[in-house]
Amino acid sequence: GAVVSQHPSWVICKSGTSVKIECRSLDFQATTMFWYRQFPKQSLMLMATSNEGSKATYEQGVEKDKFLINHASLTLSTLTVTSAHPEDSSFYICSAILGVVAEAFFGQGTRLTVV
Amino acid sequence: AQSVTQLGSHVSVSEGALVLLRCNYSSSVPPYLFWYVQYPNQGLQLLLKYTSAATLVKGINGFEAEFKKSETSFHLTKPSAHMSDAAEYFCAVSDQAAGNKLTFGGGTRVLVKP
Repeated sequence: GAVVSQHPSWVICKSGTSVKIECRSLDFQATTMFWYRQFPKQSLMLMATSNEGSKATYEQGVEKDKFLINHASLTLSTLTVTSAHPEDSSFYICSAILGVVAEAFFGQGTRLTVV
Repeated sequence: AQSVTQLGSHVSVSEGALVLLRCNYSSSVPPYLFWYVQYPNQGLQLLLKYTSAATLVKGINGFEAEFKKSETSFHLTKPSAHMSDAAEYFCAVSDQAAGNKLTFGGGTRVLVKP
């Protein structure tokens, strides 16, 4: 099956710094990728839709200036958490759509801890 | 707008017993429906999907689900639970008009007792 690689799998950063998370579709091209946030023992909350070559579409309540998304190629989307604070600590997951089967493939997730 | 409801945030079953996870959806168009499994600190793995073909869908690891339009349901079952089935399970509906964006249910955590 199609593979989506997310990097890093975990990161610890200091409050006030920025962190970049990468999401790559390894064996297919994805014009659309999604970024989710998951709090402990909760479901996935969609943050934004990342479209190759255009601006991301953010869900209501998600700060676009804090969570910067770039989809510069058909195989790579990045999420940058700017000026991170402890409340940004969470599990972030990306997915990429394989269009021909209308199916989402997920990265392994990134555990972000802001100290 | 689409929505998904999973009845029961926790399910406890004995090893070898039937696993039944309930999912009801709301969609204004014929839905694409999915079941995913998540192990701790990992991403989601697709168990099975319904995309308007056969209403009884067979997936990996012995799971299957039946699409019932009249009941707007897509319940997941497995005849005999294994210890390795202990995980979090998510039902999701796809919005084909929005780039196949997924809307997830709240999730059901499955505990398997020896």
